[in-house]
Amino acid sequence: ETGVTQTPRHLVMGMTNKKSLKCEQHLGHNAMYWYKQSAKKPLELMFVYNFKEQTENNSVPSRFSPECPNSSHLFLHLHTLQPEDSALYLCASSLQLPTDTSTDTQYFGPGTRLTVL
Amino acid sequence: AQKVTQAQTEISVVEKEDVTLDCVYETRDTTYYLFWYKQPPSGELVFLIRRNSFDEQNEISGRYSWNFQKSTSSFNFTITASQVVDSAVYFCALSEAGGTSYGKLTFGQGTILTVHP
Repeated sequence: ETGVTQTPRHLVMGMTNKKSLKCEQHLGHNAMYWYKQSAKKPLELMFVYNFKEQTENNSVPSRFSPECPNSSHLFLHLHTLQPEDSALYLCASSLQLPTDTSTDTQYFGPGTRLTVL
Repeated sequence: AQKVTQAQTEISVVEKEDVTLDCVYETRDTTYYLFWYKQPPSGELVFLIRRNSFDEQNEISGRYSWNFQKSTSSFNFTITASQVVDSAVYFCALSEAGGTSYGKLTFGQGTILTVHP
C-alpha cells in the first residue's frame, strides 16, 4: 500500500466546473499539506492541517477550498478556476507529534495533474 | 525570510560519472532542517535525506552522499557512478523550527539531472 495516495491522477476541467482532489495517507500521520507545482516555479505550499485543524493558508485564492475531515484524508475543492491554475497538485503528510517542535519529514503523494481549459 | 537556491538548472552526464548537485540556503534561525527530494517523471517527490542544523556530519547512503557545511550555508548532494535511473528532478528544501514557520518547507527551483547511457 502506497503511503500517500491521490486521486484522480489527471483532471481536465473547464473554468465553470466544480471538482475535488482527494488525498489519503496510510502512515498514521497527523499533519497534511497541499502544494502547487507549476512549470518554471518552485513548489508552493498552499495549506497545512495539523490534527484536522488548518494551521496555514498561504494566501491561496478562495476558488481553492481545502477540507480535512480526519487526519487520514484531505480534499481540495476547486471551483471557477483559471487557466493559470493548471499545475501539478501534490499532497504530503508528516507525523508531527503534539510535543515535537522539530520539523518532521514530509512524504508526498504522486500528485494530480490539473488542466484548466 | 528563508530561501533555497539551486543554481544548476540542468545537468547532463554520462552513466558512471559522478555528479554533484549544489544547494545554498539562507535562514536567520539557528535551528533548521534541510532536505533533499527526488522527483522522477512519475511526479511523486521521493524523500532522500533530512538533516538538522546541529548535525554537520556528512552522510553516505550507497551511491548517494551529502556534504553539509554551515560555514558556507550549503548542503550539496553527490551521486557516485550515476545510473540512468537517477534521471529526475532533484529538490533541496529548508524548514525553520518552531514559530510560524513550523512544518513549512521552502523548496529550491530544482535541478534536472539527465543521465545518458
